[in-house]
Amino acid sequence: SQTIHQWPATLVQPVGSPLSLECTVEGTSNPNLYWYRQAAGRGLQLLFYSVGIGQISSEVPQNLSASRPQDRQFILSSKKLLLSDSGFYLCAWSEDSYNEQFFGPGTRLTVL
Amino acid sequence: RKEVEQDPGPFNVPEGATVAFNCTYSNSASQSFFWYRQDCRKEPKLLMSVYSSGNEDGRFTAQLNRASQYISLLIRDSKLSDSATYLCVVKDYGGSQGNLIFGKGTKLSVKP
Repeated sequence: SQTIHQWPATLVQPVGSPLSLECTVEGTSNPNLYWYRQAAGRGLQLLFYSVGIGQISSEVPQNLSASRPQDRQFILSSKKLLLSDSGFYLCAWSEDSYNEQFFGPGTRLTVL
Repeated sequence: RKEVEQDPGPFNVPEGATVAFNCTYSNSASQSFFWYRQDCRKEPKLLMSVYSSGNEDGRFTAQLNRASQYISLLIRDSKLSDSATYLCVVKDYGGSQGNLIFGKGTKLSVKP
């Protein structure tokens, strides 16, 4: 069966510091991968998605970036965090663009 | 702007009650529909897909009305463990990869 992992689970970072969140998927190959952010009291916002190694599409302009160095690894990064980057970051995978997505446990980021 | 709208609630119901949530979507070209459940500070989890003919999974029944562009979820014989936020999700094929559009969720609280 497929599993999706994210780490760290929680993170507290100062403004201006860098960020690296990692997501890995097991039990499937060539999945679509997604990064979402859920701010307090708000819906999920799609940040990035990837249909293959090295292929990244950005949905929202921001100071975040994503990379997919391996088939089942998806990384979310920032060079300098802003206060507004605080939120619950969720990685998800799907078999293709037409099926349901399955979420990892998320990383709760607080920028102070 | 393409949207998915839900009544945020909260819906406070006693155990054993029947409760129904509705969700409306604005993109008539949407093709796939889902209900996700999200517990407090946890990731969303797929509850059920919504098919054109309607579908049932135990105490849960989902229906789709394409003409009126709304989706419903009916929960019968509510349990305490049903307390969560229920997210209506629409597959938007207007974008380049048909990404999921999430509603902000309807909060359900089942009381003893």
